[in-house]
Amino acid sequence: AQSVTQPDIHITVSEGASLELRCNYSYGATPYLFWYVQSPGQGLQLLLKYFSGDTLVQGIKGFEAEFKRSQSSFNLRKPSVHWSDAAEYFCAVGPLSNDYKLSFGAGTTVTVRA
Amino acid sequence: DAGVTQSPTHLIKTRGQQVTLRCSPKSGHDTVSWYQQALGQGPQFIFQYYEEEERQRGNFPDRFSGHQFPNYSSELNVNALLLGDSALYLCASSFRQGVSEQYFGPGTRLTVT
Repeated sequence: AQSVTQPDIHITVSEGASLELRCNYSYGATPYLFWYVQSPGQGLQLLLKYFSGDTLVQGIKGFEAEFKRSQSSFNLRKPSVHWSDAAEYFCAVGPLSNDYKLSFGAGTTVTVRA
Repeated sequence: DAGVTQSPTHLIKTRGQQVTLRCSPKSGHDTVSWYQQALGQGPQFIFQYYEEEERQRGNFPDRFSGHQFPNYSSELNVNALLLGDSALYLCASSFRQGVSEQYFGPGTRLTVT
């Protein structure tokens, strides 16, 4: 069964500093991986996705993520954080050819201090 | 291009009542998935509808049921509400059920008292 672990529940970062959010997955095949962001009281917005090919993927809002098969990781990064990046971030894996759901991690809350 | 829309935005119900939530998918999408997000947790998959049939179901009781209409919109029904059903219910749409990204709506916040 597929599963996702986000080891960090909460991260605080200063505005302008870099940010890295960790994601580890357990999957029986080549995974499809996603990062979503959720602002308070809102739905999920897709930041970026990895299906195949180049292991470094670029997303919206200046985010990027790197797929490392050897480490079963898909970490999200941003070089310089803005106050508007304060939100909850979810890593997700799926779907498979006959298992169409997304499986989400528990999320990482990012706080940005001035 | 309208994204995924959901209604209502908020809902307050009493234990034992029934509720219906609605979702319209993003233009060009034909598949709708429903997720439940309890406070402080990641979304949990409820079920997916494609070609007006339930194609896959997560670990939710039969009190949770759904429907998909010919225009691809969908409803989620929950019967005999429990306090534990209080959550944000998210609808996601995608194309052709399988390998593609899912786009989420803003959600319906259900509170059961």
